[in-house]
Amino acid sequence: DAGVTQSPTHLIKTRGQQVTLRCSPKSGHDTVSWYQQALGQGPQFIFQYYEEEERQRGNFPDRFSGHQFPNYSSELNVNALLLGDSALYLCASSLGTGRSGNTIYFGEGSWLTVV
Amino acid sequence: AQSVTQLGSHVSVSEGALVLLRCNYSSSVPPYLFWYVQYPNQGLQLLLKYTSAATLVKGINGFEAEFKKSETSFHLTKPSAHMSDAAEYFCTVTYPPDNYGQNFVFGPGTRLSVLP
Repeated sequence: DAGVTQSPTHLIKTRGQQVTLRCSPKSGHDTVSWYQQALGQGPQFIFQYYEEEERQRGNFPDRFSGHQFPNYSSELNVNALLLGDSALYLCASSLGTGRSGNTIYFGEGSWLTVV
Repeated sequence: AQSVTQLGSHVSVSEGALVLLRCNYSSSVPPYLFWYVQYPNQGLQLLLKYTSAATLVKGINGFEAEFKKSETSFHLTKPSAHMSDAAEYFCTVTYPPDNYGQNFVFGPGTRLSVLP
């Protein structure tokens, strides 16, 4: 049973460019959340997708957008990259939106470096 | 707004010694609480969770945590540290069914070092 898979694992982008990160949830999971983890900090919630819609959003600008596909996989897009966007981007999946305290499972993350 | 504090950004213990990692939360409603561990260059792995059942929760790798509502705490303990326990530990909170969505709030993390 595959867990949460993310791609790419590492990438380097230039300021002003755009990036797309991809996530496949754990088998049987229908909800995907994205987190940004800056070096030495805890993960910060970006947004959550359920039934192909953004259900909740953290304190991130509109440059951060996403999408969920019918097979529950998801993409995170970041436009007009800034140096401060350099971080580990974590995808997490769960069954349902967490109303019963369901566990969320994390992928290994995508390391983004903006130069 | 909900928040999670973890006292001590870095904790060092000797191998075989007690591990105690502290977590306090601020919330007007009882939350669900989780501890995750992150090994270097890896994602996060669930250690244990509290979802309003027994207040003493046992997790993987010999870890356990106790929910104390009066102290708004959820400290993580392990009786005897092992070298392989060296990692970053995150306390995390989310909220019960009347809060739509699963908006986990993470603490800043505590780095555990285990000395031989």
